[in-house]
Amino acid sequence: EVQLVESGGGLVHPGGSLRLSCTASGFTFSNNWMTWVRQAPGKGLEWVANIKQDGSEKYYVDSVRGRFTVSRDNAKSSLSLQMNSLRAEDTAVYYCIAAAGGVFNFWGQGTLVTVSS
Amino acid sequence: EVVLTQSPATLSVSPGDRATLSCRASQSVGSNLAWYQRRPGQAPRLLIHRASTRATGFPARFSGSGSGTEFNLTISSLQSEDFAIYYCQQYNTWPQTFGQGTRVEIK
Repeated sequence: EVQLVESGGGLVHPGGSLRLSCTASGFTFSNNWMTWVRQAPGKGLEWVANIKQDGSEKYYVDSVRGRFTVSRDNAKSSLSLQMNSLRAEDTAVYYCIAAAGGVFNFWGQGTLVTVSS
Repeated sequence: EVVLTQSPATLSVSPGDRATLSCRASQSVGSNLAWYQRRPGQAPRLLIHRASTRATGFPARFSGSGSGTEFNLTISSLQSEDFAIYYCQQYNTWPQTFGQGTRVEIK
C-alpha cells in the first residue's frame, strides 16, 4: 500500500521558517517525480514545487520561488520543503504527492501550516 | 497560466441519479487533464487521467470525456460514497493548474 506521511506543520510567525517532511513507502520512491501542492483555507488547490527523481531539476510556483526549497533523499524515501520568509498567504494544508507525467498519482493526508502573529 | 473553470460549483443529486461535471480550460490542454476525488476528511485521490482513463480502484460508473478546452466527468449512478468534491487539473502547460472544484452533495 502506498503511503505518504507529511510532518512538520504548525504555527509560525510572519518572516519565520518551517521545514516540512514527507516519508514515503509502498512504492519505488526514486522512480517518481515528487510534488508539493497546497490548499489555503477556503481556496483551491495550488501546485507549489516539483523535484525530479534524482533531484537534478526543481521547479517552483512564482509566489514561493526564492523562499522555498524542495529536496529529497532517495535512500530514505523522504521529501522535504524548507520554507523561509513565510507570509500569511502561505497558510495552507501542504500535500506531498508522488507524480508521474504531471499526474498526481498518490497524495499524503497533508500537514497544516499557519502563518500568523 | 491556464485557468480551469469548473461548473457548477455545487451539484445536488439524489442517490442513483446521473451527475455531469464540467471543466473548461482557458486554452487548449489537449488530453492532458486529470480529475481528482476528495471525500470529506480524506486527501484527494486520482480518479481520471488523460481525460478519460480511469485510475485503479474506481468503478466504471465514473467516466471522463473531452479534449482541448472542454471536459466532462460523468458519474452514471451516484452512490453514497461518491458525494465528494471533484477537481480537474491540467498538466499540459507549466505550471500545472487546478479548477476550483465541484461539490457533489446529496439532494
